[in-house]
Amino acid sequence: EVQLLESGGGFVQPGGSLRLSCAASGFTFRDYAMAWVRQAPGKGLEWVSILSASGADTYYADSVKGRLTVSRDNSKNTLYLQMNSPRAEDTAVYYCAKGSAYSSMSCLDNWGQGTLVTVSS
Amino acid sequence: DIVMTQSPDSLAVSLGERATINCKSSQSVLFTSNNNDCLAWYQQKPGQPPKLLIYWASTRESGVPDRFSGSGSGTDFTLTISSLQAEDVAVYYCQQYYTPPLTFGPGTKVEIK
Repeated sequence: EVQLLESGGGFVQPGGSLRLSCAASGFTFRDYAMAWVRQAPGKGLEWVSILSASGADTYYADSVKGRLTVSRDNSKNTLYLQMNSPRAEDTAVYYCAKGSAYSSMSCLDNWGQGTLVTVSS
Repeated sequence: DIVMTQSPDSLAVSLGERATINCKSSQSVLFTSNNNDCLAWYQQKPGQPPKLLIYWASTRESGVPDRFSGSGSGTDFTLTISSLQAEDVAVYYCQQYYTPPLTFGPGTKVEIK
């Protein structure tokens, strides 16, 4: 059974930093793209970033480019999202999701429960 | 960027009746290598993460009831729930995965009439 467990959410001040983690199990992590999707309170889904299986290809939404950095450690079956200089508009539940394929051209076939990030002074 | 739109924003359907949700992409999402459209549908129930229902526009994910079906090609797509059940109350999102950013539609809320 695929399991994705996000951690690291919480309160962060604007201009601070926070790192989210997603521990994966139940599948061969290094064979699949992985993504982050967020959902602001009461709003729809916003795709944030996707990283190919090898980590060679990384893509970001324009709204986070230059501030959020996605990475993965295939030896630890873990996906990361580094949030630098977050803004109030980054407040959201952040979901980790497994891609359906090796490449970034993937739909998202398994999702974690999400972790809430609140950016506030 | 490919912009995804959905209609209607919400709909109320009687139990056992058909629900139809439309999704339109601002450009074609046809992957010519396999002649499939890079279009997925997700269901999100209150307080839960999204769940993949349909991919390649019309392929049902394993375990998804066959009352859910996807159709369409190119830029126009449809999710149909053939006989609405109480457990289908949710918000439904389409997403293109043809090219980054892998944009979602704004969602359609389905309720019981």
